Amino acid sequence: DAMVIQNPRYQVTQFGKPVTLSCSQTLNHNVMYWYQQKSSQAPKLLFHYYDKDFNNEADTPDNFQSRRPNTSFCFLDIRSPGLGDAAMYLCATSRDTVSNQPQHFGDGTRLSIL
Amino acid sequence: GQNIDQPTEMTATEGAIVQINCTYQTSGFNGLFWYQQHAGEAPTFLSYNVLDGLEEKGRFSSFLSRSKGYSYLLLKELQMKDSASYLCAVSGVDSNYQLIWGAGTKLIIKP
Repeated sequence: DAMVIQNPRYQVTQFGKPVTLSCSQTLNHNVMYWYQQKSSQAPKLLFHYYDKDFNNEADTPDNFQSRRPNTSFCFLDIRSPGLGDAAMYLCATSRDTVSNQPQHFGDGTRLSIL
Repeated sequence: GQNIDQPTEMTATEGAIVQINCTYQTSGFNGLFWYQQHAGEAPTFLSYNVLDGLEEKGRFSSFLSRSKGYSYLLLKELQMKDSASYLCAVSGVDSNYQLIWGAGTKLIIKP
């Protein structure tokens, strides 16, 4: 089945230690998104790629970076995680951004900071 | 600006019907989505409305009134597995067509 896969499901890192979360998709969608979601809150869009075109949300901290080496893969790098970065990180894909095709989500990576 | 409001929590009984409301403010409205999210899991797509009226899909229906900035999700014949959060998300020109998400309505189903 075509899908969005996130690894790992659970990630524990130390305060200030860089961490990378990964996402892959077999849907061949043009757009890939990274969201941060904290408990009982709305998902917060961090950035998205339309193909290789990177779009950063204005309020995404500089501590968060992303890479999309090819259509299938996208990575979220947190350079110096703080306690406030503990959250669920969701990767999603869509065919494009304008036609309102639904976004398809991976299972998420729950990040804990020690 | 953009804003989405939904009730924080609702409780309903197994077998009953529940309506979850969502109100929104955006310019250049381009569609409204409902997603279901079980605790600790990712959101899954339920429905999409861009024109006024009711869209029915099995036990779930979604309604939209663009003039009122209002939508609801109607769940019929509630089952215990319907216990989840239901998120309303709106696409509009204001957000450059990215989704603006509500915080979700936590639905608790009681036997």
